[in-house]
Amino acid sequence: RKEVEQDPGPFNVPEGATVAFNCTYSNSASQSFFWYRQDCRKEPKLLMSVYSSGNEDGRFTAQLNRASQYISLLIRDSKLSDSATYLCVVTYRDTGRRALTFGSGTRLQVQP
Amino acid sequence: DVKVTQSSRYLVKRTGEKVFLECVQDMDHENMFWYRQDPGLGLRLIYFSYDVKMKEKGDIPEGYSVSREKKERFSLILESASTNQTSMYLCATIRTGQVIGETQYFGPGTRLLVL
Repeated sequence: RKEVEQDPGPFNVPEGATVAFNCTYSNSASQSFFWYRQDCRKEPKLLMSVYSSGNEDGRFTAQLNRASQYISLLIRDSKLSDSATYLCVVTYRDTGRRALTFGSGTRLQVQP
Repeated sequence: DVKVTQSSRYLVKRTGEKVFLECVQDMDHENMFWYRQDPGLGLRLIYFSYDVKMKEKGDIPEGYSVSREKKERFSLILESASTNQTSMYLCATIRTGQVIGETQYFGPGTRLLVL
């Protein structure tokens, strides 16, 4: 079983729609959680961190459910420019200076 | 802005060739990482380095080695390239003490094709 799992999609939605992605993680000792965005043939870039209390940044809302071991990303009023792959990222307490564990990504395609 | 550059965007090599991928960062970050990214598998850590001349294996180090002679430069070496090393290679950096997920900067990536 993968440590971090995501539905690969693609999620095809019309402009203006609301779309949500989930990401499950297997290690209950997971410490920090993030969503990264990766455009086609580009490098990943941090979209937002995910806090225990949930957090919002404009049209984007991230939530963490520790009991069920998943994080979610909600995008409201989808724009064409939101089309990308969204990577779920998890760090673990014992990784120290080690890097992150990435999900394989969920592809979103927003259509006109 | 942090700038992370990689020596090539696209590279084509033959099986058995020795391949060098270079990563250079201009922000004096201590920690540098090499990942590879493959469809359906996401990003997987190959090696990382937290200081000059220091290196540690990641999750998939087999077939790779690294070199960190200067703080700003981290090289990934494929001693004898094989077709299963065809992939997108991404370099990343972070300064020690920062929240790792929030401040990991990636280079633009190198798409390597091994024939």
